[in-house]
This record gives sequence, structure tokens and C-alpha cells, in this order.
Amino acid sequence: TQLLEQSPQFLSIQEGENLTVYCNSSSVFSSLQWYRQEPGEGPVLLVTVVTGGEVKKLKRLTFQFGDARKDSSLHITAAQPGDTGLYLCAGVKTSYDKVIFGPGTSLSVIP
Amino acid sequence: DAGITQSPRHKVTETGTPVTLRCHQTENHRYMYWYRQDPGHGLRLIHYSYGVKDTDKGEVSDGYSVSRSKTEDFLLTLESATSSQTSVYFCAISGQYSGNTIYFGEGSWLTVV
Repeated sequence: TQLLEQSPQFLSIQEGENLTVYCNSSSVFSSLQWYRQEPGEGPVLLVTVVTGGEVKKLKRLTFQFGDARKDSSLHITAAQPGDTGLYLCAGVKTSYDKVIFGPGTSLSVIP
Repeated sequence: DAGITQSPRHKVTETGTPVTLRCHQTENHRYMYWYRQDPGHGLRLIHYSYGVKDTDKGEVSDGYSVSRSKTEDFLLTLESATSSQTSVYFCAISGQYSGNTIYFGEGSWLTVV
């Protein structure tokens, strides 16, 4: 049973389009993280959100942590081919727990 | 870069042979992890360590063993490799100075034929 679900599983869009990726759980997390993984490499941290309702922006990427701290979203504005990759959300229930990863969303941005 | 080195980066081995993957860190982080990544399954935790000689099982530990005799090194051993262990293996680290952030190595591609 996946404690963290991600949707959609696959996404293929044209350059310039906007998109949103979702990370959902029935559990409360003390923090959620988003990673991006490019082919042939390990995942790299994009952002950590820790406060319910928090919104963080990283250039064209906007991350939001749900008010109840059970879900998160990643919105990309005007997607570019360089955004192509696997986006993973990860959560920690308490500071003493292991990090739990979602299954990932594979994004392909077509020029 | 988080100072994590995995070796070997690529390996082809025969069914039934032992295989050891090595992870070396230069960050002095307390926690070290071994994950495998397969299509349709995402990242799955094999084993992790919270200190020298302190290890615990993850969700897919069967067929794998680990050892951590020094802070900087975490070894993953497949005692008798099977084709189902063909995968990409990632080592990762985290520590008190990284919060809950996990830093990943570049991966080791293992093919069992």
C-alpha cells in the first residue's frame, strides 16, 4: 500500500503549457519534499514544505502544502523541455521517521 | 554535489554469484540508505543505517544484506544474485544538518543474467 500517491503517473505536454502534479495521502506529514530525477541520475531536491497551507515558488515552479498537511501540489508554468524528468514527492511523519517516497510522475515536455 | 560515491556504476553478473555495491560519503552524515528503483515501483527502501553497525530493514530487504563498519561506508551485498534483482540501486544519505533532506548518489546499474 502506497502511503503517498501521485497523479498523474505520466504526463506529456507541449512546450509553453502549464501543468499540475499532485501528491496525496491519508496520513499527516510533518514535511513534504519534491525531488526531480533526470534519466541516468539520482533524484535531486527541489523544495521542502513544512507548514500547512505553505506556498513556495522556485522560478516557474510553485509548490503548495495542503492545509491539513496530507497533500501537496507542484505547478509548472510555461513548461520547457528542460523540465522533462521524474518528479517524486516524499514525506516524513515525524522527525524520527524514515522518508517515504511516492511512485513519481514522469513528465515529458515536447518542443 | 553531496559527496556520495557509488561503485561500481555498472555491473553485469551471473545468477547465483555474490555481488557487493559500495557507497562512500564524505559528509559525515549519520543516516545512509540503499534504494532500488524499478519501472512501476518507484524508489523502494532496501536497508538503511542510523550509525556504525546500526542497520535496519526496509520494505524489500529479502535477498540483501548490508554492513556499515565506518561512518563513511555502507555496503550492500546480494549473497546470490537473481534476475529479479536486476535494477538501479541508489545510495542516499541524510543527517542532523540536512534536516529530512535525502541526498542521492548517481546510481549503480546492476544486470543479473
